[in-house]
Amino acid sequence: RKEVEQDPGPFNVPEGATVAFNCTYSNSASQSFFWYRQDCRKEPKLLMSVYSSGNEDGRFTAQLNRASQYISLLIRDSKLSDSATYLCVVRPESWGKLQFGAGTQVVVTP
Amino acid sequence: GAVVSQHPSRVICKSGTSVKIECRSLDFQATTMFWYRQFPKKSLMLMATSNEGSKATYEQGVEKDKFLINHASLTLSTLTVTSAHPEDSSFYICSARDPGWETQYFGPGTRLLVL
Repeated sequence: RKEVEQDPGPFNVPEGATVAFNCTYSNSASQSFFWYRQDCRKEPKLLMSVYSSGNEDGRFTAQLNRASQYISLLIRDSKLSDSATYLCVVRPESWGKLQFGAGTQVVVTP
Repeated sequence: GAVVSQHPSRVICKSGTSVKIECRSLDFQATTMFWYRQFPKKSLMLMATSNEGSKATYEQGVEKDKFLINHASLTLSTLTVTSAHPEDSSFYICSARDPGWETQYFGPGTRLLVL
């Protein structure tokens, strides 16, 4: 079983719509969780950290469910510029190595 | 925000040659840097953890004699792919951890093509 698993997509989303997707992780003791965004042929960039109580950053909302070991990302009012691959990233222990999912591709269409 | 630079951005070389990739943290001192490799449509795979002033820690299956890592200063780590072969062609990305924030910032990556 992979340490971090994601639905690869693609999720085809009309502009203005809402899209949500999950990521599951295998290590129940994992400490930190992040969503990164990666554009084609570019490096990953931190989108947001995911906190236990859930958090929101503009149109982006992240949730953590420790009991079921998954995190989610919801994008509201999708923009064309939101088209990218979203990487779920987990840090099993404080200051430890990051574990990456393979990414979920989102394609926002006009 | 924090910036990590990487050079070169892309390189094409002949099989058997060695290629050096530099990674610099521009806004902070990074005691720890990471080197990743990413194949198309795959997740980032950690190759090694580079610690300033000490030997790098390599992940299982990564040949330390083939992928030489040097972290001579708090702002510079280098990865040298020795005797490169076509199967080494990949996207190599470095990352530096900002010690004050536990956040990792990624360099723009180096696309290596070995002919």
